[in-house]
Amino acid sequence: QITLKESGPTLVKPTQTLTLTCTFSGFSLSTSDVGVGWIRRPPGTALEWLAVVYWNNDKRYSPSLKSRLTITKDTSKKQVVLTMTNMDPVDTGTYYCAHGDDTNAFDIWGQGTTVTVSS
Amino acid sequence: QSALTQPPSASGSPGQSVTISCTGTSSDFGDYNFVSWYQHHPGKAPKLMIHEVSKRPSGVPDRFSGSKSGNTASLTVSGLQAEDEADYYCSSYTGSNNYVFGTGTKVTVL
Repeated sequence: QITLKESGPTLVKPTQTLTLTCTFSGFSLSTSDVGVGWIRRPPGTALEWLAVVYWNNDKRYSPSLKSRLTITKDTSKKQVVLTMTNMDPVDTGTYYCAHGDDTNAFDIWGQGTTVTVSS
Repeated sequence: QSALTQPPSASGSPGQSVTISCTGTSSDFGDYNFVSWYQHHPGKAPKLMIHEVSKRPSGVPDRFSGSKSGNTASLTVSGLQAEDEADYYCSSYTGSNNYVFGTGTKVTVL
């Protein structure tokens, strides 16, 4: 059974760097065609894809946020970490990590972690 | 890249059908058929309902179906049930090897 769980701070100040960790089980990030992505949903708005890292360490980022994002994986720890620099109140929202495969869809999602950006 | 365009809302009575459109550009969809649809009940994890345009994951009722024509994908929910009331999002794996989500559609069961 595949599960993912997000963790990180619930409150960050403007200009700070956000670090979120996705801890997963039930699959390996060294298996061909497997990836873990991050998606967020600000309050009252739509889902927004942020980044994905694949089994072969290929990394993709949202073009609009690429300069602020870094995604890394630790296969042995079964973790994926997303950092986002220069946080702003508009970055407030629920952040999800999700499992992806060769269907290029995110088939299993974590419950999400809520991040508020405020001074 | 901009979000894929969806109608803000759709509604139907129990037993009826609703169809949600998802419009993008040729670069949004690329040469792939990697369009997926997600159901999101607020406060819960999004759920994959359709992948690769029209394929249903195990456990998703066959009331949910997907299609694509040109640069518009569609999700149809037949035989609407109360539990289908949720936000629905399309997503595409793009020609730039990124992902893009739609603007979202709130489905209301009257």
